Amino acid sequence: DAGVIQSPRHEVTEMGQEVTLRCKPISGHDYLFWYRQTMMRGLELLIYFNNNVPIDDSGMPEDRFSAKMPNASFSTLKIQPSEPRDSAVYFCASSFEGPGGESYEQYFGPGTRLTVT
Amino acid sequence: GQQVMQIPQYQHVQEGEDFTTYCNSSTTLSNIQWYKQRPGGHPVFLIQLVKSGEVKKQKRLTFQFGEAKKNSSLHITATQTTDVGTYFCVGPTSGTYKYIFGTGTRLKVLA
Repeated sequence: DAGVIQSPRHEVTEMGQEVTLRCKPISGHDYLFWYRQTMMRGLELLIYFNNNVPIDDSGMPEDRFSAKMPNASFSTLKIQPSEPRDSAVYFCASSFEGPGGESYEQYFGPGTRLTVT
Repeated sequence: GQQVMQIPQYQHVQEGEDFTTYCNSSTTLSNIQWYKQRPGGHPVFLIQLVKSGEVKKQKRLTFQFGEAKKNSSLHITATQTTDVGTYFCVGPTSGTYKYIFGTGTRLKVLA
């Protein structure tokens, strides 16, 4: 497997524009996570899905952020409208649950570096 | 809410010296994971600890889970320049897959 795939790798946009980040998880994984990393706030969990269903979105900063997972192989994180304070590296990660409910490691994608000017 | 703190925040060591980072959670953890992130890279899984008092070793790395399952440590013996990066401990909120990343310890190794 190619691992978790994210696109684009870099995105530069102007304040007020819509930004869409994309993620393809590892095939067979049933959990998908979106994280944001900044120097000030570290790595923050924004939202996670289980079997394509959003389970916890309490980390989503505000209504400008939305995430979808229309099928098991694709997810998007959208910011509309974008603001300079959204500048960060956004990571997507996927994982799977064992037959006994045990958790396993998360596999991270390479990230999308977003700059909002 | 649940918080996971790590100390120290930064550590500079001479190559060959030992290094330890400590992780403390405000709540009891069902398990704890450790990740390493190289500069400019993404977090990469190192290990998972599940049992109270568990100790696991990976070559020069020793991981420990506290008896109360609220703290953990990572010890690197005889650091090498390849150990450079930020080390994170990660714990799930009880009964969920909502993982809380620790604040991280950034390690620099001077040759």
